[in-house]
Amino acid sequence: QSALTQPPSASGSPGQSVTISCTGTSSDVGGYNYVSWYQHHPGKAPKLMIYEVSKRPSGVPDRFSGSKSGNTASLTVSGLQAEDEADYYCSSYAGNNNYVFGTGTKVTVL
Amino acid sequence: QVQLQQSSPGLVKPSQTLSLTCAISGDSVSSNSAAWNWIRQSPSRGLEWLGRTYYRSKWYNDYAVSVKSRITINPDTSKNQFSLQLNSVTPEDTAVYYCARMFHYYMDVWGKGTTVTVSS
Repeated sequence: QSALTQPPSASGSPGQSVTISCTGTSSDVGGYNYVSWYQHHPGKAPKLMIYEVSKRPSGVPDRFSGSKSGNTASLTVSGLQAEDEADYYCSSYAGNNNYVFGTGTKVTVL
Repeated sequence: QVQLQQSSPGLVKPSQTLSLTCAISGDSVSSNSAAWNWIRQSPSRGLEWLGRTYYRSKWYNDYAVSVKSRITINPDTSKNQFSLQLNSVTPEDTAVYYCARMFHYYMDVWGKGTTVTVSS
């Protein structure tokens, strides 16, 4: 099972928006609405930000939103804040009780 | 509030067995709605899902193809925890290992991670 493809880095100034893509195949991202996104500050536990493509867990700001088109899912962070600087990973159910993660994107707030 | 507390083995020699435990508080390893997972992160492989154990009237396990021949994940109901054993380790298994609770198809609670180095 190959990792989902994410851009290595993304950046934006405070208040701006940044969108991260997550590209898979019809066997994972394109085949199921089970894409999730995780925020990871190094040294800390990853945090769930989006699940089932576009749903936000309680406590996650509505600045975070998710979507999917075909085999590509996206995470958009609007109104960037300093604390949004982190690594972001997508994940997808890949069938046959298997899961795959993305390669990760480092978001920098300029 | 669900919390996961990981053990910390640190250094493992090549060809030996890596063993980790994840203690659960605020939930049960025997939950009928959760699954208990191991994930690892390394610079070369990024985040990699390794496998899970879960109870749905009986115990089930699912493992990633990449480690299926070497991995065992077991629940321990007496201690409300679950464990990871990875056999025949090589330096490629050096990583930060995380345990996580899976609800439906996403991981909603994670442990803080344990760094494991495979070296002689």
